[in-house]
Amino acid sequence: NAGVTQTPKFQVLKTGQSMTLQCAQDMNHNSMYWYRQDPGMGLRLIYYSASEGTTDKGEVPNGYNVSRLNKREFSLRLESAAPSQTSVYFCTAGLYNEQFFGPGTRLTVL
Amino acid sequence: AQSVAQPEDQVNVAEGNPLTVKCTYSVSGNPYLFWYVQYPNRGLQFLLKYITGDNLVKGSYGFEAEFNKSQTSFHLKKPSALVSDSALYFCAVRDMSPPSGAGSYQLTFGKGTKLSVIP
Repeated sequence: NAGVTQTPKFQVLKTGQSMTLQCAQDMNHNSMYWYRQDPGMGLRLIYYSASEGTTDKGEVPNGYNVSRLNKREFSLRLESAAPSQTSVYFCTAGLYNEQFFGPGTRLTVL
Repeated sequence: AQSVAQPEDQVNVAEGNPLTVKCTYSVSGNPYLFWYVQYPNRGLQFLLKYITGDNLVKGSYGFEAEFNKSQTSFHLKKPSALVSDSALYFCAVRDMSPPSGAGSYQLTFGKGTKLSVIP
């Protein structure tokens, strides 16, 4: 039982490059979320998916897209990376009373 | 809208002394409240939660938190700090009865408080 897994753990991109961050959960939760963590800013919600087939914008969605491929997988795509997207990205899955975090992806955009 | 404030960026405490990490919140209805801990280069780990019932909530690693509705606070406490408690602590809130819609399980996190326990 791996919980929530994320790939890759680290990534360096050049401005304008694209990439997809992968997230998978084996906990059978309907809801999944993508957050970014920046120093002094806490965690900010990028996108979420309340159930398979639905996605919605969070607090900071600009520059990102998401896909809820199935109940297990929720990916985050950067179409044209910018230095402002340098951050640590966390995927979570959970219920109304608890969210379970993945280990994170540390992304640097040069 | 829901929000969380953690008024201290950093808290320093001597090993063996009691510690408190402060959190205040704002929701339109009744809150669900959470504390998470983050160790360096790791994801967030759940510590404890207040859903309903007893205002004093006990969680992992000897931590507890007290829900105070009149002061809209949910401070994290531990009677005797350990050096291994040094980490980043996040308070989070969500409205128990939010407006209907897909975002109803959304948590709002505070900016985090860095706890340093000094040997």
